[in-house]
Amino acid sequence: DAKTTQPNSMESNEEEPVHLPCNHSTISGTDYIHWYRQLPSQGPEYVIHGLTSNVNNRMASLAIAEDRKSSTLILHRATLRDAAVYYCILLPYYGGSQGNLIFGKGTKLSVKP
Amino acid sequence: NAGVTQTPKFQVLKTGQSMTLQCAQDMNHEYMSWYRQDPGMGLRLIHYSVGAGITDQGEVPNGYNVSRSTTEDFPLRLLSAAPSQTSVYFCASGDLADLAKNIQYFGAGTRLSVL
Repeated sequence: DAKTTQPNSMESNEEEPVHLPCNHSTISGTDYIHWYRQLPSQGPEYVIHGLTSNVNNRMASLAIAEDRKSSTLILHRATLRDAAVYYCILLPYYGGSQGNLIFGKGTKLSVKP
Repeated sequence: NAGVTQTPKFQVLKTGQSMTLQCAQDMNHEYMSWYRQDPGMGLRLIHYSVGAGITDQGEVPNGYNVSRSTTEDFPLRLLSAAPSQTSVYFCASGDLADLAKNIQYFGAGTRLSVL
């Protein structure tokens, strides 16, 4: 499985944008880039995913480098509720185990009031 | 909207006891899985299933059994609990019909302590 590298922790101020980086230099052409987050004492929740183009949804934006070897999750205005561990995960879109999310340690985001 | 429901929320066992962690989803998802999360760690895949009657092992399957007799339910069995199985267990489900999405939904977790 292709691996991802994320900083262990990041800090942000409330109502400021946050850019969470992820390196995935061994990504293959069939891997989607998925982001999940885990709020304290809760199960993970889906945030966003993409393949090649930048993606936006109501929660966040995903910026994917042209060579796809890195990506950045963008929270446009961090709130206290965004304090969580953010996981960047690569998922192939074919194969018998295409549903298996392989979690690393993620980035723990702290948001200061 | 129930989503993925896990029961119980908390459980304390003695070493050697057996128990079943329940997981049910009401979204008609083919894919279901079980993870465990130890303190300060990411989630590790225990077992998964891509449909009724089909199960497979994940990264850490030893000490756990699963079966999938219906689309809705995916119970995780501990036949003889050990202290090393003290962890938080999460169940997830997803729709494999749309591979481009592959969004998975997680339950709230079961916190298990084995004494």
